[in-house]
Amino acid sequence: AQSVTQPDIHITVSEGASLELRCNYSYGATPYLFWYVQSPGQGLQLLLKYFSGDTLVQGIKGFEAEFKRSQSSFNLRKPSVHWSDAAEYFCAVAPIKAAGNKLTFGGGTRVLVKP
Amino acid sequence: DVKVTQSSRYLVKRTGEKVFLECVQDMDHENMFWYRQDPGLGLRLIYFSYDVKMKEKGDIPEGYSVSREKKERFSLILESASTNQTSMYLCASSLGPPGGGTKNIQYFGAGTRLSVL
Repeated sequence: AQSVTQPDIHITVSEGASLELRCNYSYGATPYLFWYVQSPGQGLQLLLKYFSGDTLVQGIKGFEAEFKRSQSSFNLRKPSVHWSDAAEYFCAVAPIKAAGNKLTFGGGTRVLVKP
Repeated sequence: DVKVTQSSRYLVKRTGEKVFLECVQDMDHENMFWYRQDPGLGLRLIYFSYDVKMKEKGDIPEGYSVSREKKERFSLILESASTNQTSMYLCASSLGPPGGGTKNIQYFGAGTRLSVL
């Protein structure tokens, strides 16, 4: 069965500092990969996705992620964090060829931003 | 923009009540999903539907059922609510079909926070 691990439950970062969130997955073949963000009291918003091709993908709000097949990882980065980036971040995977394209989520990483 | 609307943001119900959570999407999407979100566990799939009147169990279907009579609407039903079903419930939809790249992106509603007392 596929699984997604986000090793860091909480991360605290100062405003203006860089941020990296880790994501590792276990799956038989390369799946589709996603990062979602959830602001307090809100639903999930897609930050970026990887389907194929260039392993460095750009997303919204200045985020990027790098797919590393050899490490089964899809880590999310942002060079300079803004206070509005305080939220919970979820990594997710989906099989490429399966009815319904079910997502499997990691447990989430909550990001706190210090002034 | 895709819009996924969940009928209630907050619900408080009593143990044993039958509970309906409603979700509507306005983009003619084939696939619809119900997840529950609990701290530290991320989102877990309860049920999904890839066509009208078609449904499949997700990872944690016990205690839940679903209904999809129309393409745009997907209902989650708690036949007899229990306290361990207190959670945040999120609905999502995607265009489909499998392997369709951007058609696999799921769009989420704002969630329904359900408390069962």
